[in-house]
Amino acid sequence: AQSVTQLGSHVSVSEGALVLLRCNYSSSVPPYLFWYVQYPNQGLQLLLKYTSAATLVKGINGFEAEFKKSETSFHLTKPSAHMSDAAEYFCAVSDRKGSARQLTFGSGTQLTVLP
Amino acid sequence: SAVISQKPSRDICQRGTSLTIQCQVDSQVTMMFWYRQQPGQSLTLIATANQGSEATYESGFVIDKFPISRPNLTFSTLTVSNMSPEDSSIYLCSVTNTGANVLTFGAGSRLTVL
Repeated sequence: AQSVTQLGSHVSVSEGALVLLRCNYSSSVPPYLFWYVQYPNQGLQLLLKYTSAATLVKGINGFEAEFKKSETSFHLTKPSAHMSDAAEYFCAVSDRKGSARQLTFGSGTQLTVLP
Repeated sequence: SAVISQKPSRDICQRGTSLTIQCQVDSQVTMMFWYRQQPGQSLTLIATANQGSEATYESGFVIDKFPISRPNLTFSTLTVSNMSPEDSSIYLCSVTNTGANVLTFGAGSRLTVL
């Protein structure tokens, strides 16, 4: 069984400030981990994924995430927030067998960027 | 990656009616899925749409309520039957290919049931 916990359903940062969105996972097998972003009135878009290569993963739009096995975490960061980053962010986990059907999503974090 | 078109993008429906959502992909894909995103909540997988055979439903979802068709490798429909206000959600189509872990999502269909 696998699960994802996203700490903080709403996060607000000032433009130019660090963005940190937290994700902790539980998995009985080594996981694949993902971050998706959902802009208003749009579907989900993949930001980045971890599939057992480098533990620091770089994604689109300046985002990155670090896989920390000891902490069972996969937090998403961006050094400097931009107004266009305002969206909902979902962390997801799947088992290493790679079935998309086994993907489990977190409850999401709404990011607000203040001017 | 594949481009997905979903119709309708949004609709307001009356209790007891049914609505069919269409998902069209611009290329052939192995796997197609339907998700539900209830207000303020995360995504829940409804079913896997199988070409030429009955869909595979997840626990808590049944064919009578959510009939699904997939006549070919680029198209699927989801019907929400006998709707109630509890069915007010965003319904999302997603696709991937065998062996791939990444899902591509459509923009979703936002249903409001009065």
